[in-house]
Amino acid sequence: GQNIDQPTEMTATEGAIVQINCTYQTSGFNGLFWYQQHAGEAPTFLSYNVLDGLEEKGRFSSFLSRSKGYSYLLLKELQMKDSASYLCAVRLYNQGGKLIFGQGTELSVKP
Amino acid sequence: DGGITQSPKYLFRKEGQNVTLSCEQNLNHDAMYWYRQDPGQGLRLIYYSQIVNDFQKGDIAEGYSVSREKKESFPLTVTSAQKNPTAFYLCASSISKGDTGELFFGEGSRLTVL
Repeated sequence: GQNIDQPTEMTATEGAIVQINCTYQTSGFNGLFWYQQHAGEAPTFLSYNVLDGLEEKGRFSSFLSRSKGYSYLLLKELQMKDSASYLCAVRLYNQGGKLIFGQGTELSVKP
Repeated sequence: DGGITQSPKYLFRKEGQNVTLSCEQNLNHDAMYWYRQDPGQGLRLIYYSQIVNDFQKGDIAEGYSVSREKKESFPLTVTSAQKNPTAFYLCASSISKGDTGELFFGEGSRLTVL
């Protein structure tokens, strides 16, 4: 079966850096996505990794190690508006582009 | 502006009734998806469609049905056979039926069974 794990909750302080980890055990890996979801809203795309290494996009970076089945999302200079759920999702190879999601990490940013 | 429109945003249903959730996209995307989200859980795939007049079951298809008569539209029917239908339903689309491109999500439909 497919399995994606991420912490349920995290708390961090405004202005700080936080790292949200995601481990996966899937067959036919073809890319890993990170989405941000505010309560009651649609998920919005943050990042995509298909090769090993770090992808940087402003205050957000995402890292992938395919051999370890591991990814992390790094958020710098945290702002209150970053309080949200962060979803890790894996695309499986040759399965119509569908994504398998982890349960999400609820991040609370405190002043 | 291009995007995905889901309606209704909120829906109340009595037990034993079928209800249909609408999903329309004007992004010219080939693939469309329906996910269900429950509190504290990740998104779970109900059905997906890579091309008009074709669709596949996801992980939790029981009690649901879909159609894909037009490229722009992918409605989801929650039937009375679905034992626990109260949830947040998200429709998504992707540019390609293959293995490229991220999913774009609609704003969601929250269904409550009374």
